[in-house]
Amino acid sequence: EVQLVETGGGLIQPGGSLRLSCAASGFTVSNNYMNWVRQAPGKGLEWVSIIFGDGTTYYADSVKGRFTISRDSSKNTLYLQMNSLRADDTAVYYCARDRTGDRDYWGQGTLVTVSS
Amino acid sequence: EIVLTQSPATLSLSPGERATLSCRASQSVSSYLDWYQQKPGQAPRLLIYDASNRAAGIPARFSGSGSGTDFTLTISSLEPEDFAVYHCQQRYNWPRTFGQGTKVEIK
Repeated sequence: EVQLVETGGGLIQPGGSLRLSCAASGFTVSNNYMNWVRQAPGKGLEWVSIIFGDGTTYYADSVKGRFTISRDSSKNTLYLQMNSLRADDTAVYYCARDRTGDRDYWGQGTLVTVSS
Repeated sequence: EIVLTQSPATLSLSPGERATLSCRASQSVSSYLDWYQQKPGQAPRLLIYDASNRAAGIPARFSGSGSGTDFTLTISSLEPEDFAVYHCQQRYNWPRTFGQGTKVEIK
């Protein structure tokens, strides 16, 4: 059974750093396209970043240069390193496996609150 | 980046009625357009991919159409569990973008 579990969220001051983790089971992270998507409180979804099987990465303009997506094959885990955090980065962060065939998979999300 | 505009923002309907949701792209996305359903406190759920293909386990009352810049999600007869927020997303180019969402609420 495919499962994605995000951890690492919490309260952080503006300018601070945080690393989110997404532990995967039931499939191999490095063989799939993996995404981070976020949702600010009461707002719509915002795609954040993706990493391909070959390691290629893309980012939303709003996070480029501040966030880094990566993975650890030995731990079958996806990461999002977030630096220079701002109040508008406050959101629930979801990891998601890109669609293969007729379905995709999402975690339950982890809340990041950037506030002093 | 490609901007997706969803309309209406809110759709007030009764169970059994037909729902028609629109997603318009600022430039062509070919057929690389997906629809998601999201309920409060839950992760999004893929409904339709590549504009018109139902995802795994999605009931036949959900259908998608369109290509280029104009897309439609239709729910033929609303069930109580269909009242939720619906999002469209384009996968045509980077960065991927979502629309702002349409809330389907009970009238």
